[in-house]
Amino acid sequence: KNQVEQSPQSLIILEGKNCTLQCNYTVSPFSNLRWYKQDTGRGPVSLTIMTFSENTKSNGRYTATLDADTKQSSLHITASQLSDSASYICVVSASGTDKLIFGTGTRLQVFP
Amino acid sequence: DAGVTQSPTHLIKTRGQQVTLRCSPKSGHDTVSWYQQALGQGPQFIFQYYEEEERQRGNFPDRFSGHQFPNYSSELNVNALLLGDSALYLCASSLFFLARETQYFGPGTRLLVL
Repeated sequence: KNQVEQSPQSLIILEGKNCTLQCNYTVSPFSNLRWYKQDTGRGPVSLTIMTFSENTKSNGRYTATLDADTKQSSLHITASQLSDSASYICVVSASGTDKLIFGTGTRLQVFP
Repeated sequence: DAGVTQSPTHLIKTRGQQVTLRCSPKSGHDTVSWYQQALGQGPQFIFQYYEEEERQRGNFPDRFSGHQFPNYSSELNVNALLLGDSALYLCASSLFFLARETQYFGPGTRLLVL
C-alpha cells in the first residue's frame, strides 16, 4: 500500500533555531516528492519538488533532501522565524498516476 | 494573474442537507482536483476533473459528486451531509499533462455540519 509517514507529529522550537522534519514513504514506482507548507485553515503552498535524480533542493531557508534508495526525505529549516509556524506536509506522487499521496504533516510551532 | 480561488470560504450546514462548493483554477490550468482535509489530517483525494469529465476518484461514496465547466471551473457537490463531512475542502488546479509537476491549491472552504 502506498503510504507517506512523517515525524515528528509536532515540534516546538525557539525563534532562530534550526530544525529538521522527516518523511518516509513506501510509494512505488516513485515519481516525485514535494514539501508543502500549510498555514492553519489555508491551502498548502509548495516549497520544493524533487524527482528521483535529485537529492537536494533549496528554497530560501528551506532545504529538502531525498534518498530514493531508502525512500526517505527531510526538510531542514534554518534560522526559524515566527512565520514558519505551520504544518509541513510531505507529498509523494507515483509514476503512472496523477494522484498525490499526502502525509499527515508535522505541526511546527516557533516561539519567540 | 489570479491563483486558485474557492467559494465560499466558510459554510455551516445541518445533517441531511446538500452543499455545493466552487473552484476557479489558476489561469492557464485545465485540470481540477478536490481534496477533503479533516482537522489534524493530511488531505484525502476525492476526484479529479479534466475536459469536463471525472478522470480519477478516491475512496469517497457517491454522495460526493462533481462537475467541470467549459471554462475549467469546477463544483463539488455533497448530498445527505453527515457530521463526518465537516472538513476543509481544498481545490487544486494543474495542467493535465504536467499534473505531476504542477499542483496549486486554493485557500479551501471550511464546511461545518451540525
